Amino acid sequence: GQNIDQPTEMTATEGAIVQINCTYQTSGFNGLFWYQQHAGEAPTFLSYNVLDGLEEKGRFSSFLSRSKGYSYLLLKELQMKDSASYLCAFQDSNYQLIWGAGTKLIIKP
Amino acid sequence: NAGVTQTPKFRVLKTGQSMTLLCAQDMNHEYMYWYRQDPGMGLRLIHYSVGEGTTAKGEVPDGYNVSRLKKQNFLLGLESAAPSQTSVYFCASSLGTSEIGELFFGEGSRLTVL
Repeated sequence: GQNIDQPTEMTATEGAIVQINCTYQTSGFNGLFWYQQHAGEAPTFLSYNVLDGLEEKGRFSSFLSRSKGYSYLLLKELQMKDSASYLCAFQDSNYQLIWGAGTKLIIKP
Repeated sequence: NAGVTQTPKFRVLKTGQSMTLLCAQDMNHEYMYWYRQDPGMGLRLIHYSVGEGTTAKGEVPDGYNVSRLKKQNFLLGLESAAPSQTSVYFCASSLGTSEIGELFFGEGSRLTVL
């Protein structure tokens, strides 16, 4: 079967670094996505990984290990505006997205 | 550039009533999707379309119907609303299901069924 898991909630301090983990199981894999969703708003695309390794985009980086079924999103120099839910999703063999329930990130001053 | 627009943003229905959610995109995307988002659960795909005139079932299609008569519009219908359909509904579009896979979402439609 297919499943995907990520922590429900995390708390971090403004200016710090936080890592949000995502684990998945699937027989067919075509990429791993991270989206950001502020409360009451639509999800917006953050990153995409299809090969193993780290992809860096400014303060945000995403890592993938296909053999371990594992990804993480790394947020550096946290700002209050980073308070949001972070959604992990993988693309299966039919190119359908399977979504995690999201990790609510709370940033404290 | 409006992107993806959903109407209405909020709606309250009584059990058994019907309604239609409208999604419009101005990016000339081929693929369009309807998702529902419930607390503690990931986004779940209801129906999707890979082009004008085509539709397909997603993970949770029961109780919903869709139509894609024009490339830019994707309608989601509830024929007889049930309390279990209380949710936030998101429409999304994408250029294709290539390795890019980036979805562009509408702002969401919050539906409450009493």
